[in-house]
Amino acid sequence: EAEVAQSPRYKITEKSQAVAFWCDPISGHATLYWYRQILGQGPELLVQFQDESVVDDSQLPKDRFSAERLKGVDSTLKIQPAELGDSAMYLCASSAKTEDTQYFGPGTRLTVL
Amino acid sequence: AQKITQTQPGMFVQEKEAVTLDCTYDTSDQSYGLFWYKQPSSGEMIFLIYQGSYDEQNATEGRYSLNFQKARKSANLVISASQLGDSAMYFCARQDSNYQLIWGAGTKLIIKP
Repeated sequence: EAEVAQSPRYKITEKSQAVAFWCDPISGHATLYWYRQILGQGPELLVQFQDESVVDDSQLPKDRFSAERLKGVDSTLKIQPAELGDSAMYLCASSAKTEDTQYFGPGTRLTVL
Repeated sequence: AQKITQTQPGMFVQEKEAVTLDCTYDTSDQSYGLFWYKQPSSGEMIFLIYQGSYDEQNATEGRYSLNFQKARKSANLVISASQLGDSAMYFCARQDSNYQLIWGAGTKLIIKP
C-alpha cells in the first residue's frame, strides 16, 4: 500500500540551530501539505504545494521557515534558527488532487532545547 | 468564524461497546466534505472516513460509520464493537471552499479492557 514517507521521525536540537525535514508523498500525488501540530491541538497548515508551486504559505513564519518542492515530488521543510516554541509534531500529507482525501506520513517530532 | 467543535475532550468506553464521537461545524458553503482521522500515540494521522455534503447515504467503512445530519451541521463518528487498539485521538475536519481542512481540537478516546 502506498504511503507518505517522512524523515527523521524524531529530532532533538538546540535553539538557534538549523533543522530540516523531508517528505516523499504517495507516487502521483500532485498536492503536498506541511502541517505543524502542537500537543493537544489539531494540525495547523504551514504550506501547500501543487506540483512544484506554492499554493498557500500564508501561515508559514517566513523569517525562519522555508519549504521547497523543486521537482514536484519530494519536499523539504527547513527551520533556521530553531526556537523553543517550534517544538511540535511536523506532519506531511499528500492528495492526488486538491479536492481529494489527504493521506499523512508518520510525522517528525521536533524538540528544541 | 467557520469552526469545528468537538465537545468531548476525553471519553472512556468499555471494550466491545459502541462509541459515538461528536462533531459539529459551522459553514455557509453548500458543498463540502467532512473527514474523520485517528491519531494514535505514535503520531501518524490515519484517515478513517469521508462524507460529502450531497451524499444521500451516511458513509460507512468497516466498524466506522458517520451519522451525518446536514440540517443540524453535525457529523458524528460511530465506532461499533470498540477494540483496545481504538484508543487514540480522533479529529473531525471539514474542507473549506479552497479544499483546505479546518480541524477540530480532537477527542481522546480510551478503551477499557
